[in-house]
Amino acid sequence: EVQLVESGGGLVQPGGSLRLSCAVSGVSVSRTYMSWVRQAPGTGLEWISLFYSGSTIYADSVKGRFTISRDNSKNTVYLQMNSLTVEDTALYYCVRNPRDGDSWGWFDPWGQGTLVTVSS
Amino acid sequence: EIVLTQSPGTLSLSPGERATLSCRASQSVISNYLAWYREKPGQSPRLLIYDVSRRATGIPDRFSGSGSGTDFSLTISRLEPEDFAVYYCQQYGSSPWTFGQGTKVEIK
Repeated sequence: EVQLVESGGGLVQPGGSLRLSCAVSGVSVSRTYMSWVRQAPGTGLEWISLFYSGSTIYADSVKGRFTISRDNSKNTVYLQMNSLTVEDTALYYCVRNPRDGDSWGWFDPWGQGTLVTVSS
Repeated sequence: EIVLTQSPGTLSLSPGERATLSCRASQSVISNYLAWYREKPGQSPRLLIYDVSRRATGIPDRFSGSGSGTDFSLTISRLEPEDFAVYYCQQYGSSPWTFGQGTKVEIK
């Protein structure tokens, strides 16, 4: 069973930085695709970043400010967040992108989420 | 960017009743790459359906998905107490992957 445990959230001032971690068990991060999805308070879900086959993709809302990476030795995925704004306040989920043949892009499972609050 | 619009915003039903949720895309979803999730209060979303109609592991057969192109639906044949939650559709055919705004299924 794949399990994802996020950490690293907290309160940060506008313009600040934060690094989120996602400890993965049940699968090797070197052999799977991983994403981050966020949910701002009272609103819906937003996919923000993907790491797959050594490549990365970002939503326009975070491009140039956020960086997704992984450490195969620690089986952990990271999200480095720089130049944070109040609009980045959200619950951040680490999610796996499983594959079924040539099909992939859905999210399963989801971590429990880590809350990031950007406020002065 | 593909915008997904879910309807209705809220569905009020009783346990045992049938629920039909709609998800309409602003443009055709490539390869029918569409998924559905259920978010129970205080929990993370859980995958129900992917590729329009494939049930995820462990999902009971009262959940079914259908549709193609721009119009998709999720049907819950008989609502169980744990099904009163918020449901999201998501497309992964075009980047950026996007979600609908959600449909809340509440107890009538």
